[in-house]
Amino acid sequence: DGGITQSPKYLFRKEGQNVTLSCEQNLNHDAMYWYRQDPGQGLRLIYYSQIVNDFQKGDIAEGYSVSREKKESFPLTVTSAQKNPTAFYLCASSDPGTPGPFFGPGTRLTVL
Amino acid sequence: GEDVEQSLFLSVREGDSSVINCTYTDSSSTYLYWYKQEPGAGLQLLTYIFSNMDMKQDQRLTVLLNKKDKHLSLRIADTQTGDSAIYFCAEVNNDMRFGAGTRLTVKP
Repeated sequence: DGGITQSPKYLFRKEGQNVTLSCEQNLNHDAMYWYRQDPGQGLRLIYYSQIVNDFQKGDIAEGYSVSREKKESFPLTVTSAQKNPTAFYLCASSDPGTPGPFFGPGTRLTVL
Repeated sequence: GEDVEQSLFLSVREGDSSVINCTYTDSSSTYLYWYKQEPGAGLQLLTYIFSNMDMKQDQRLTVLLNKKDKHLSLRIADTQTGDSAIYFCAEVNNDMRFGAGTRLTVKP
């Protein structure tokens, strides 16, 4: 089955710790995205990558980092510099000329 | 504020039609999308419309686009309890912008 997987579904971390969220896709899509969702709000773009080894900051990149070493993988690290990291994180991928993007199931991060 | 605006809540009775409205600001948007999000899940691509179309129908779903007013709507015919979810409108140009989502509640 083609799709996007995110792991883990739930993640708990202590304040001050870095944490990495996984996102993998087997759709052969060039572009991948990370969004953050807070209750009652829309999605806000953290980072996106149009191609391997390249990525750009979105609207709220501060306190986050990403890498794109492989086409199918786009991990997101939430660093201790992120002031309010508790949120629902969504990964997505897309291809030019085709409707989308398509989203993964999300990871709910709770910082204690 | 949001570039894409939606009302936050909509409540309908089972069997009625639901109409979810959205306004956007970028007149050069190429695609406009509707996504559905069920509790604790990711976003599911429901339907989309190209900017050169006025209407698109897909089974119970009808999308209307008024480019002059930058207004997009999603009509769900014969709304069922399984349609209860948050519906997001999104516009795409060089990037993708989402509305805050409309929470649809379907009462039996």
